[in-house]
Amino acid sequence: DTGVSQDPRHKITKRGQNVTFRCDPISEHNRLYWYRQTLGQGPEFLTYFQNEAQLEKSRLLSDRFSAERPKGSFSTLEIQRTEQGDSAMYLCASSQAYYGYTFGSGTRLTVV
Amino acid sequence: TQLLKQSPQFLSIQEGENLTVYCNSSSVFSSLQWYRQEPGEGPVLLVTVVTGGEVKKLKRLTFQFGDARKDSSLHITAAQTGDTGLYLCAGVSGGSNYKLTFGKGTLLTVNP
Repeated sequence: DTGVSQDPRHKITKRGQNVTFRCDPISEHNRLYWYRQTLGQGPEFLTYFQNEAQLEKSRLLSDRFSAERPKGSFSTLEIQRTEQGDSAMYLCASSQAYYGYTFGSGTRLTVV
Repeated sequence: TQLLKQSPQFLSIQEGENLTVYCNSSSVFSSLQWYRQEPGEGPVLLVTVVTGGEVKKLKRLTFQFGDARKDSSLHITAAQTGDTGLYLCAGVSGGSNYKLTFGKGTLLTVNP
């Protein structure tokens, strides 16, 4: 297993455009998480899936953000009508138990 | 409100020196994790501590969880240039057994 894979690694988009990121977790991990990290800060929790069920969404996730995990495998995070404040590193992680996260390399989003 | 405060924020030392970084909180955590993150990459899990007073060693790294499970420290002996990176602590607390709260990190630079 090659770990948690995220695609794309980098995305530059114009303000107002929609973007979608993909995360492929470690295959035997049933828990999947999205975090966002801005410069000089630690990662902040966005949302959590157990299998295909989205069990928690942070209030950081405005209605412009939506995440899915169809069939409990890969996950997508979509941001509609991007704003400059959305510029950040979007990190996906997976785990089997409640600790021992494996993070992906992240998607760096720049909104211009 | 920053639940986890890491200190120092920045640390620059020479190869071969010892160092300690701290992670403090007024909240009790059921477990605490330490990660190392390199520029442009996701955090990599170093250790998870669960029991108050617990000490774990990973080669030249020693991790300690406070007796009250509110604070932790990471000590590195004989630092090497490969230890350079952002050290993040993250805690699990409250009713959630999966959501990590991260500190802002300590950016360590080990100079040759």
